[in-house]
Amino acid sequence: DADVTQTPRNRITKTGKRIMLECSQTKGHDRMYWYRQDPGLGLRLIYYSFDVKDINKGEISDGYSVSRQAQAKFSLSLESAIPNQTALYFCATSGGIRTDTQYFGPGTRLTVL
Amino acid sequence: GQNIDQPTEMTATEGAIVQINCTYQTSGFNGLFWYQQHAGEAPTFLSYNVLDGLEEKGRFSSFLSRSKGYSYLLLKELQMKDSASYLCAVVPPRSNYQLIWGAGTKLIIKP
Repeated sequence: DADVTQTPRNRITKTGKRIMLECSQTKGHDRMYWYRQDPGLGLRLIYYSFDVKDINKGEISDGYSVSRQAQAKFSLSLESAIPNQTALYFCATSGGIRTDTQYFGPGTRLTVL
Repeated sequence: GQNIDQPTEMTATEGAIVQINCTYQTSGFNGLFWYQQHAGEAPTFLSYNVLDGLEEKGRFSSFLSRSKGYSYLLLKELQMKDSASYLCAVVPPRSNYQLIWGAGTKLIIKP
């Protein structure tokens, strides 16, 4: 079984809709991250969380919100989706001995029409 | 400032050797990562360098020069499955381990 899972894997939605992307992990890591990836650009950090009570904005948090429901779950919401939020979204975790090494989920491909 | 540069695309032949460079401009950093990403898939960890020098791991090696702001990933005995993007990422100081990512180098392997 995968250590980091994301649902859904693909989603097509319309402008103005609220969307939630979910991430779960079985690695026992404290730290979780949400990134988006666009062609020709590096991974960009949206939000990160170091534990259930710690949420931090990343480089591009505008238009997004997150919830850390438990150590193993971190969800990303788009309150009112817009077309330029069309991207590949990745959840990642880190922790344990190698706190800095991040492990990624399979990604969610989101299309906003 | 923090800026990471990698070539956009490289082409190599099966069985050959290829070197993918990464240069960075930061005010210091705690380490440098290399990840592999096949098209449409998740990035997967390859290597992490903290100290200067070459670290070898099977067919893949990673080199770091902190003073020159330079790293490279060396892939030997190339196989078709090595066709992927290779991402360089830096851990800036006092960053709580937020990584700064390069845009990645797309490596195309030809028979």
